[in-house]
Amino acid sequence: KQEVTQIPAALSVPEGENLVLNCSFTDSAIYNLQWFRQDPGKGLTSLLLIQSSQREQTSGRLNASLDKSSGRSTLYIAASQPGDSATYLCAVRLTGSARQLTFGSGTQLTVLP
Amino acid sequence: EPEVTQTPSHQVTQMGQEVILRCVPISNHLYFYWYRQILGQKVEFLVSFYNNEISEKSEIFDDQFSVERPDGSNFTLKIRSTKLEDSAMYFCASIGRFYEAGELFFGEGSRLTVL
Repeated sequence: KQEVTQIPAALSVPEGENLVLNCSFTDSAIYNLQWFRQDPGKGLTSLLLIQSSQREQTSGRLNASLDKSSGRSTLYIAASQPGDSATYLCAVRLTGSARQLTFGSGTQLTVLP
Repeated sequence: EPEVTQTPSHQVTQMGQEVILRCVPISNHLYFYWYRQILGQKVEFLVSFYNNEISEKSEIFDDQFSVERPDGSNFTLKIRSTKLEDSAMYFCASIGRFYEAGELFFGEGSRLTVL
């Protein structure tokens, strides 16, 4: 059974700092990995999607990498801003018949002004 | 920008009552999902739906749950007899043509509180 783990569970940084969020998964047979942002009480906003054949994806200040063989992904946020404060979730899409997303428990990020 | 819309945003119900949560997926999307998130826990898969039938469901999705696409736009989740443990945020999601490699888009969620 696929397990997705995110560390740290919570992170607090001063504004302007670059930071890295980590995601690991136990089964490397994935189609893709998706990073989401979740604000308190809100829905999931898709940030980046990385296919299993890709190594990284970039969108603005965000860069996500994927190392499928080691079961790891990182989300790099450059020049963090208070508006980046949210919970960041990673989710993997499995191959085979069970193709739903399996989520990690998230990293709660607070960017202090 | 196209989005997945869900109603109601919050519903409070008594245990044992039936609840219907509604979703309008992105218009040209073909695959639809329901996920749920109990407060403080991970987002969990419930069910996927394609071509007017369930394609996969989790252990959570028991006989109390059902899904339907009653018309060309709506996608509903029904809980027949709610239990306290059904209290959660329920998310609808959809994906387009490229099912294998596509990006999943989520709605804002419907918060269900069972008293």
